[in-house]
This record gives sequence, C-alpha cells and structure tokens, in this order.
Amino acid sequence: GDSVTQMEGPVTLSEEAFLTINCTYTATGYPSLFWYVQYPGEGLQLLLKATKADDKGSNKGFEATYRKETTSFHLEKGSVQVSDSAVYFCALSEWGSEKLVFGKGTKLTVNP
Amino acid sequence: DTGVSQNPRHKITKRGQNVTFRCDPISEHNRLYWYRQTLGQGPEFLTYFQNEAQLEKSRLLSDRFSAERPKGSFSTLEIQRTEQGDSAMYLCASSARLAGASYNEQFFGPGTRLTVL
Repeated sequence: GDSVTQMEGPVTLSEEAFLTINCTYTATGYPSLFWYVQYPGEGLQLLLKATKADDKGSNKGFEATYRKETTSFHLEKGSVQVSDSAVYFCALSEWGSEKLVFGKGTKLTVNP
Repeated sequence: DTGVSQNPRHKITKRGQNVTFRCDPISEHNRLYWYRQTLGQGPEFLTYFQNEAQLEKSRLLSDRFSAERPKGSFSTLEIQRTEQGDSAMYLCASSARLAGASYNEQFFGPGTRLTVL
C-alpha cells in the first residue's frame, strides 16, 4: 500500500540556519504530495503542496519539489526562525482518493 | 467562519466505557474525515463522509467504532467498550471539492485527546 517515510526527529537548529527535512514515498499511482505543519496547541495546517512531477510547492519561505524519479518531496527553508518550531508532516493522496497518508512527523525546534 | 471545531478537547474514561466525540466542519464543506493519531505517529485515516453518506472506512475502524453524519453537517464518532489501545488524538477534517481540482485541501480541527485508564 501507499506509504510515506520522513526523516526521524527531533531536529534542533539555530535561528537563520538552513533546514532540510527528507521525505520519500511509495505509491501505486500518481499521488499529490503535501507538507502539513502542526504548531504547538493547534491543528494541522497545509503548508504547501505539489500535484504533479517537477512541481514546486512554496509557502512562507518553505519549498519542496515533487521528484518522481527519486519518489521524494524534501522540505527546505533557507533561513529558519524561532516561529518555525513545530511538527512537520509529509503526506500523499492518490489521484481519485479522499484519504491522506501521513509520515510520522518531524519535530523542529529553532533556538534564538 | 471559525474553522473546524471538535468537542470535547480532552476526554478521560475508564476501560469498557463508551465515549462520543463531535466534529463541526467548516460551513458548506460537504466532505468530512476522521483520523486517529497516536503518540509519535502521523494521523491515520479512519473514515470519510460525503454529505451524509459514509463512503470509505479503514480496516482500523473496528466494529466498536461507529461514525455518523446524520444531516450532512456535524459528525459524531462513538467508541464502544473502550480499550487502553484506543488512547489517541482523534482528528476531524473537512473539505470542499473544487470543480476540476486534482486534490482537495483538508482543513483540520484541533482534535480530541482520549485517554483510556
């Protein structure tokens, strides 16, 4: 079945550091790919998405590129801020399916 | 519009008791989803409604679990004869399919944390 694997956390960075959170997926069809973020005490929020190969999703300085050849969707940000501290989830949804399949999440802590 | 709301936010119960959670989706969202998230894991899909029809159920949803959406608006998730393994965060999400869209964005509520003693 479909699955998402993302790098183990927690990840601790200093403010203005470069961030990469790796995500790879297994899917039978042509999924859409997502990054969701969960800030402390809040619900999951969609951070960015990509619906086909080579698409780049971006939002709030975060970027991720849909790489079909490597089945990857790595999250990057050039300069993290303390306010980026949260848990980040990579997810996929098969075309025509309503359900999201999530990775285990990666907790990011950014120190001033 | 205040987003997806869930009640209660926390529930502590004893093993063997029944519990019911409520989810109020974003107005006019015709799709509603339930997920379960255990500690250190990502959310796992349980079931989904389009309007009042329950169209998909995960194998995770044992016969002790039942979900309803009687008028196509709010939904309830009931767990009968709770077990300690049911302890988790139960998340609700809603979406509105856009015409021609290849995906639909799901908006999540804050969740109900269940602890079974």
